Formats: sequence, C-alpha cells, structure tokens
Amino acid sequence: AQSVTQLGSHVSVSEGALVLLRCNYSSSVPPYLFWYVQYPNQGLQLLLKYTSAATLVKGINGFEAEFKKSETSFHLTKPSAHMSDAAEYFCAVTPNQAGTALIFGKGTTLSVSS
Amino acid sequence: GAVVSQHPSRVICKSGTSVKIECRSLDFQATTMFWYRQFPKQSLMLMATSNEGSKATYEQGVEKDKFLINHASLTLSTLTVTSAHPEDSSFYICSASSGAANTEAFFGQGTRLTVV
Repeated sequence: AQSVTQLGSHVSVSEGALVLLRCNYSSSVPPYLFWYVQYPNQGLQLLLKYTSAATLVKGINGFEAEFKKSETSFHLTKPSAHMSDAAEYFCAVTPNQAGTALIFGKGTTLSVSS
Repeated sequence: GAVVSQHPSRVICKSGTSVKIECRSLDFQATTMFWYRQFPKQSLMLMATSNEGSKATYEQGVEKDKFLINHASLTLSTLTVTSAHPEDSSFYICSASSGAANTEAFFGQGTRLTVV
C-alpha cells in the first residue's frame, strides 16, 4: 500500500522568502511522486514529477523537489516566494505502474504575505 | 502536456435529479480514467477507476448505483450522480491516462456540483 503525508496543513511565508513544503511517502515499490498546485475552484496543475530518473527535479514556476529515498521524502522548495504562489499544494504518489491512480496527501495551503 | 476537458465546470441541480459530468481526453487515447471527489479544503479522494470498455472499479464506500461511471470510448468517460442530494455537493475531478509506462495522468478542470 502507498500513502503520502504532508506535514503542515498551512504554511505562511513572506514574499521573497524560501518556500518549503514537506512530503513524506510510504511505498512498498519504487514510487512515482508528484507535486500539484490547485487554485480555488480549479483543477490540478502539475508542478513537477519524479519518475526514477534524476533525484533533483525541477518544475514550473521556479519550484523544485528532491527525492530522498533514505528519508522517504519529496519536499517541494522555491527560493523566493511570489504572491502568485499562494494556493493549495498536493503531494501525490503512485506505484511505478501504468494505469494506476494517484494517492494524494491532505494538502498544504501556502499563504504569501507582502 | 495532454489536455483533458471536463464539462460542465459548475452545475446546480435540485434534489432528486440526476447530473452527468463529462471527461474528455482531447489529444490522446485514455485507456484509463479516474474520478475523484474533493470536499472543501480537503484532499482528493479516489472514487473509481474506469478502463475503456469495461465496468468501473469503485473504491470502498462509494455507491456504484449512485455514481454511475461509463467509459464507452477511448476519449470519453462520464460520471452520473443519480438522485442527487445536498450531501453530494462537492468538487468532482477526473483524470485520464494513456496507460503507457512512465506517463502521468492528466487532470480535468473539475466540476463544482451544488445540490439544492
């Protein structure tokens, strides 16, 4: 079975500050890992994904995440927050198999203050 | 990335009526589609997985007679909420996968269902 734990349901940062959103996973097989962003009343937008290639993954909008097998973590970071980054962020996992649904974490709300 | 179109984006219906939500893959063949439900300020919960031409597989606790899923073609899946009640009000999101290795599923824009 697979699961994802997002530590911190709400993270607040100042504009220009480092963004760190935490995600730990549990998987009995090599996982695929994803980070999605969701704006109010909208669908999900893929930020980045890990599919067993490079452990440091760069995504859109300046976000990146590092897969650390020893820590079973896939934390999302951005060096400098923008006001437009305020949204809901979801970490998700799926086994390395085609046609398998994503298992989502509970989400982290990111607030950015000026 | 590939495009998945979900329609309608918002719908309001009366209690007791049925509502159909469509999910289309516009530029690829989706062998598998997934339907999720999201309550306010909560995560996405998988409702069911459907493979083209076969019956959907429902997650535990999801009423298959209430949430009818059809995946009749490689580009279209529908979710019909039958005899809707206010507690069915939610945000429903579909995603579609081509089933190929090392590919991700792509998400629709979601449908906000309000039952009054």
